[in-house]
Amino acid sequence: QTVVTQEPSLTVSPGGTVTLTCASSTGAVTSGYYPNWFQQKPGQPPRALIYSTSNKHSWTPARFSGSLLGGKAALTLSGVQPEDEAEYYCLLLSGGAHQFGGGTKLTVL
Amino acid sequence: EVQLMESGGGLVKPGGSLRLSCAASGFFFSNAWMSWVRQAPGKGLEWVGRIKRKSDGGTTDYAAPAKGRFTISRDDSKNTLYLQVNSLKTEDTAVYYCTTTVHSGEFDYWGQGTLLTVSS
Repeated sequence: QTVVTQEPSLTVSPGGTVTLTCASSTGAVTSGYYPNWFQQKPGQPPRALIYSTSNKHSWTPARFSGSLLGGKAALTLSGVQPEDEAEYYCLLLSGGAHQFGGGTKLTVL
Repeated sequence: EVQLMESGGGLVKPGGSLRLSCAASGFFFSNAWMSWVRQAPGKGLEWVGRIKRKSDGGTTDYAAPAKGRFTISRDDSKNTLYLQVNSLKTEDTAVYYCTTTVHSGEFDYWGQGTLLTVSS
């Protein structure tokens, strides 16, 4: 079974920039895995942010962007706001299976 | 407005069974591939499985931990998704979310979730 790995935690200052990554145990993450990114705040369901590597939903703030970086999927937040403090999950699609990463807890401090 | 509303969670003893439901509205349910995702307390998201729309065969796919004990089904006449969970284990304790793609990407809409607790 594929294991998807994310940084357990990251800290960023308000107004700063941070990149979260998503790696696959089977090798490089490519666009063929259709990487998705979700944000989850305590007590709430996940909210979709990015799909197919870099596409934004209509509700996704412009400061969020997705890419492929060094064989991983990446989510970059530029000009971080206090309300961006949350857990972030990546999702990779492979065949009929969906595999979430373990999540990154982003602290804005 | 797209809405997904899960129900049916509760406290169940190990070895027991339960059926979770997800009532959908605001989109063409019979055209949607539907999934269940669960989240154990304090843990990450785990995809449980999905059911395709009938025009794509209506078939199901499951994550390895769900195979053999979990069954996903749908009733398009009621716009409702189901998850039958059998031979429950304490590690099945989680919030169970139903989710789907209405516009784009994967899982752009989620319900609020229903909590299933397996404990003696």
